[in-house]
This record gives sequence, C-alpha cells and structure tokens, in this order.
Amino acid sequence: LAKTTQPISMDSYEGQEVNITCSHNNIATNDYITWYQQFPSQGPRFIIQGYKTKVTNEVASLFIPADRKSSTLSLPRVSLSDTAVYYCLVVLFHGSGNTGKLIFGQGTTLQVKP
Amino acid sequence: AAGVIQSPRHLIKEKRETATLKCYPIPRHDTVYWYQQGPGQDPQFLISFYEKMQSDKGSIPDRFSAQQFSDYHSELNMSSLELGDSALYFCASSLVRSSYEQYFGPGTRLTVT
Repeated sequence: LAKTTQPISMDSYEGQEVNITCSHNNIATNDYITWYQQFPSQGPRFIIQGYKTKVTNEVASLFIPADRKSSTLSLPRVSLSDTAVYYCLVVLFHGSGNTGKLIFGQGTTLQVKP
Repeated sequence: AAGVIQSPRHLIKEKRETATLKCYPIPRHDTVYWYQQGPGQDPQFLISFYEKMQSDKGSIPDRFSAQQFSDYHSELNMSSLELGDSALYFCASSLVRSSYEQYFGPGTRLTVT
C-alpha cells in the first residue's frame, strides 16, 4: 500500500476553510484515497473517499489531481467541534470478497480556535 | 441508526491474565475488523473477517486470537497479557463491497496492571 505523508498539525479559526494536503507518490491504479476523522478516545469516522478529480459530500470536499500523487481534503467553515485528528489513507479497492484493511499513518491534528 | 457495539467498554486485567473483547457489527455488515490504538499512537490493524472466515492479518501477536461467529459477532481473545497490551481496541464493520468505509465502534479500553 502507498505510504502517505501529511502535516503533523494545523491551526485554524472558526469559520475559515481548512485544506489538508496529503502526498501519496506511490499510489497504485486500484487504490482509492480515503479520509477519516478521529476525536480523542473515539473510533475513527469515515469522511470521504475518491479516486480522481473532485468529490463532495455534506461534510467535506476531496480534490485529487490527474496524477493522483496527492490529494487535498477541504473542510468549509470549520467550527470548534472540527478539532480532531484527520487521517489520509490509501485503500486498495477489493471488488470481490476481499476486505480492505486500513493502514493509518501519522494523521494531521487540526486545532480550531475561537 | 444502529452502530457497532463493543463490550466491555472498560477492562482492567493483571499481567498474564486473559481477556475477551466482543464486537457486534452493524446489521447486514459482512466484514469485521479489529484495530489496536496505544496511548498517543495511531490505530493499528490487527485482523479482519469476512463471512466468518479470517480475511487478513496485521500486526496481531500470537497471544491473541479472534473469530467471527455465525451471527457475525466477533471476539478477540487475548492471553498472557502484558503491560504493553494496554490500549484502546476498536472493532469496525463494513460491507465488503465498500470496505474503505468502515464504521468503528466506541472501543474497549484495556488496562493491564
């Protein structure tokens, strides 16, 4: 599985847009880019997943350039409750009966200030 | 909506004792995963099951074993506990066709003294 690299920490203020970039230079053709959020002492929570271009849901947007060697998670108008660790993962998509284990690297600790 | 259930939520054991953690996946989810998260560390994949068969194995010690039962619940058995086993243990479930989207339980906090 491709190794991911993302900033260790980021600070932001309430109401701002936050962009967290992740590099995954060795991503393979069948890999998907997935982001999880984790609050202290809670299990990680799936945020968004994409393969290429742009994906948007009610929580975030994910931008993936054509070469797929990096991706950017965009959180619009963050609030204090968005303070958490954000993990970028590359997951091999299994199409027929095999599971996809999540390999967590060092995530980005986002601190949102008032 | 139903979530992943883990029990117990907290467990205190002494060195060399055994522990059993239980996980009840979201209804109709066919895949279960176990992860270990030590203090200040990132979650580490231990093992997964699909349709009651072991599917993948990560950094799970030989002292640990796990299985998935006919009702899809899973148990993680830990023997000869060591101080270093103190951690949060998360169970997650998913549908295999969308296994990147895993739903995590609240975790079991194991403390070994």
